[in-house]
Amino acid sequence: DTGVSQNPRHKITKRGQNVTFRCDPISEHNRLYWYRQTLGQGPEFLTYFQNEAQLEKSRLLSDRFSAERPKGSFSTLEIQRTEQGDSAMYLCASSSLLMGQLTEAFFGQGTRLTVV
Amino acid sequence: GESVGLHLPTLSVQEGDNSIINCAYSNSASDYFIWYKQESGKGPQFIIDIRSNMDKRQGQRVTVLLNKTVKHLSLQIAATQPGDSAVYFCANPAGGSYIPTFGRGTSLIVHP
Repeated sequence: DTGVSQNPRHKITKRGQNVTFRCDPISEHNRLYWYRQTLGQGPEFLTYFQNEAQLEKSRLLSDRFSAERPKGSFSTLEIQRTEQGDSAMYLCASSSLLMGQLTEAFFGQGTRLTVV
Repeated sequence: GESVGLHLPTLSVQEGDNSIINCAYSNSASDYFIWYKQESGKGPQFIIDIRSNMDKRQGQRVTVLLNKTVKHLSLQIAATQPGDSAVYFCANPAGGSYIPTFGRGTSLIVHP
């Protein structure tokens, strides 16, 4: 499978616990995005990487959230001290920006987080 | 500010009809638009894209039309099938960082 892969697909955690999600993008893509989606809404941008550099973070990304892409390949998104409001689908997407032109972003199947 | 919005939250059609989903954008400098289909419990799936140097692009059973004058684009689905039932989003890579930005989406319901 050469698409975007996210693990786990589902995560149930107790409030206050830390969780970490992983995203493996399409291998030749240099851009990786994280989004959050709640019911009835479109995906909301959280952060993105160009290669290993994290270039932009949304105001939605509180101090409890951290993302890494250490070698410019896979990425992790960690949420510390989870709150019930963190319950959502976390989506990862990848694309390429080449010579000023962006290619289409392909999404993974998401990680559904439920905080109880 | 920049925004990408959908005209209707829900569109119901009969199987075999053509469907048209509309999207408005506000940034006249936008030069790239993507349509996604999202089925329940799944991530958005790329359907078709269009760049601002075009006003029409066709795929398999889908056509995207771009009207830069009124900052509007539409997705036309020919001979709609039950499997087309999903939420459809237009996305517009926004700003200098070219981050795809989504609206709320339109829920397409296809009745057999």
